[in-house]
Amino acid sequence: GAVVSQHPSWVICKSGTSVKIECRSLDFQATTMFWYRQFPKQSLMLMATSNEGSKATYEQGVEKDKFLINHASLTLSTLTVTSAHPEDSSFYICSAMPGLAGVKAYEQYFGPGTRLTVT
Amino acid sequence: DAKTTQPNSMESNEEEPVHLPCNHSTISGTDYIHWYRQLPSQGPEYVIHGLTSNVNNRMASLAIAEDRKSSTLILHRATLRDAAVYYCILRYNNAGNMLTFGGGTRLMVKP
Repeated sequence: GAVVSQHPSWVICKSGTSVKIECRSLDFQATTMFWYRQFPKQSLMLMATSNEGSKATYEQGVEKDKFLINHASLTLSTLTVTSAHPEDSSFYICSAMPGLAGVKAYEQYFGPGTRLTVT
Repeated sequence: DAKTTQPNSMESNEEEPVHLPCNHSTISGTDYIHWYRQLPSQGPEYVIHGLTSNVNNRMASLAIAEDRKSSTLILHRATLRDAAVYYCILRYNNAGNMLTFGGGTRLMVKP
């Protein structure tokens, strides 16, 4: 089956520093990747949609200058949390969709998530 | 976007069937009904989806009301590994757009 990986699986950083999270589709090409954030005991909230080779589309209320998204290839998208603060501590999850030629194109494949703790 | 309503939580005994309901009274004709589940500390995983007819796969069955205003995810024999949050999501035209997650139902399975 299609696999999406995230790295790192968890990270602790100090307030004011930046953290980069990678999302890779391991066995398929993903024209579209999504980034979600999930706070404890809450549901997933979509942050942004990234398409390979173009700028990401951010949801309302998500600061694009704070959460930098790069989708440089069909198998890799990165989310960089810049100048992180304790309120950015959360579970960040990416998902990927295969291109039109992909099997099960209706299915969205999720990564295992990255737990970010900002101290 | 059409929304879904699910109970916050449900309990089940191991080895028994579980019926997880979902109401979507404002569903449109082009909305597909998708179910995902999220195990603790993991990303969601696809369970099943359908449009009008009932669907079966190796994980579960999906029963869709005739008027499509509600659906039920059926786990035929719950196991401890089925303990998760189950999300019922409407997806426009089943196409490459994002998934909007609601609150979901937290399923607890008792041994």
